[in-house]
Amino acid sequence: AQSVTQLGSHVSVSEGALVLLRCNYSSSVPPYLFWYVQYPNQGLQLLLKYTTGATLVKGINGFEAEFKKSETSFHLTKPSAHMSDAAEYFCAVGGGNKLTFGTGTQLKVEL
Amino acid sequence: DGGITQSPKYLFRKEGQNVTLSCEQNLNHDAMYWYRQDPGQGLRLIYYSQIVNDFQKGDIAEGYSVSREKKESFPLTVTSAQKNPTAFYLCASSIVTGQSPLHFGNGTRLTVT
Repeated sequence: AQSVTQLGSHVSVSEGALVLLRCNYSSSVPPYLFWYVQYPNQGLQLLLKYTTGATLVKGINGFEAEFKKSETSFHLTKPSAHMSDAAEYFCAVGGGNKLTFGTGTQLKVEL
Repeated sequence: DGGITQSPKYLFRKEGQNVTLSCEQNLNHDAMYWYRQDPGQGLRLIYYSQIVNDFQKGDIAEGYSVSREKKESFPLTVTSAQKNPTAFYLCASSIVTGQSPLHFGNGTRLTVT
């Protein structure tokens, strides 16, 4: 069985500030981990993925995530938030026959 | 450009009617999925298919049915047995189930009154 917990359903940051979105996972097999972004009334777009190898994963739009096996975490970060980053972000874990998604974190970016 | 097409974008139905949501992909992916999205609940898997003429129930399959007669197509029928059908429905595809990233369509918002 696999599951994902995203801490904080809403996160608010100032433009230019660090973005940190938290994700913890549970998986009985070596996990495949993903972060997706969703803008209103659209589908999800892949930000980045972890399969095997380097634990720091770089994605699109300046986002990156670090895989920490000991903490079963895969937190998403961006050094400097931009207004265009305002969206909903989903963490997902794979490894069986499907991906399991977290409940999402809504990111608000304020001037 | 390759991608996933969901139609229509918005769909309105009366309670008691069955409705079919379309999903077509030209990515040549073997696996296809249907997710349901409700506010605050994330994405929940309805059905998935790893190959033509085969599909498996996801976590919330009751009240839904699917078919996979062609690799490119994976339509979802929301039946009158689904108690709360109003939701945002997302179709996705991937190369390999559980390991490859999912590619999503832009969704269909179904409203049943």
